Amino acid sequence: EPEVTQTPSHQVTQMGQEVILRCVPISNHLYFYWYRQILGQKVEFLVSFYNNEISEKSEIFDDQFSVERPDGSNFTLKIRSTKLEDSAMYFCASSERRWANSPLHFGNGTRLTVT
Amino acid sequence: KQEVTQIPAALSVPEGENLVLNCSFTDSAIYNLQWFRQDPGKGLTSLLLIQSSQREQTSGRLNASLDKSSGRSTLYIAASQPGDSATYLCGVGEEYGNKLVFGAGTILRVKS
Repeated sequence: EPEVTQTPSHQVTQMGQEVILRCVPISNHLYFYWYRQILGQKVEFLVSFYNNEISEKSEIFDDQFSVERPDGSNFTLKIRSTKLEDSAMYFCASSERRWANSPLHFGNGTRLTVT
Repeated sequence: KQEVTQIPAALSVPEGENLVLNCSFTDSAIYNLQWFRQDPGKGLTSLLLIQSSQREQTSGRLNASLDKSSGRSTLYIAASQPGDSATYLCGVGEEYGNKLVFGAGTILRVKS
């Protein structure tokens, strides 16, 4: 069964550095998302992306964050000037149709540790 | 602002038992509701998706119901097995939006 793949599985970075988290969504999916889960807390929405533009973003997704679909397969999340509180599991997800009508498929996540 | 609550926070049952997990939400203006399973260190696996116009969905031993007006959904697991041990998450899709709002999950342990 097709799956969403994320790399790396674990990323350690120093405070203030920039990181790029990478995702390959399922090939025929059109909607892409980033969620995050801080240890012990709920899964939180960050951003949704469709037709090469952001369709919705949360309060968390400020100027520190950006997303890009640089080619036909990859979907990236860039975090500039990382902070300690950015440490979390970041999940990429995709759906075939608008989220309301088809289930979300999640990747296994990238664990980001900011030291 | 939509708030999603899942009860119980944790549940431990012997193998073979039928069980019910609960999800409640504060704003009934939803488009759909999805139940997910999360294994330790893994992503979320979609189990069932219920549209707001539906009352229930079934997949194998799983049955999810939705009562939109009262802001509740239940996930029923029949004849539980040790392999069902995982965290179960409820995600509510808002009517006007493009995201899911998640509950904190129910940690299920099925003992053999």
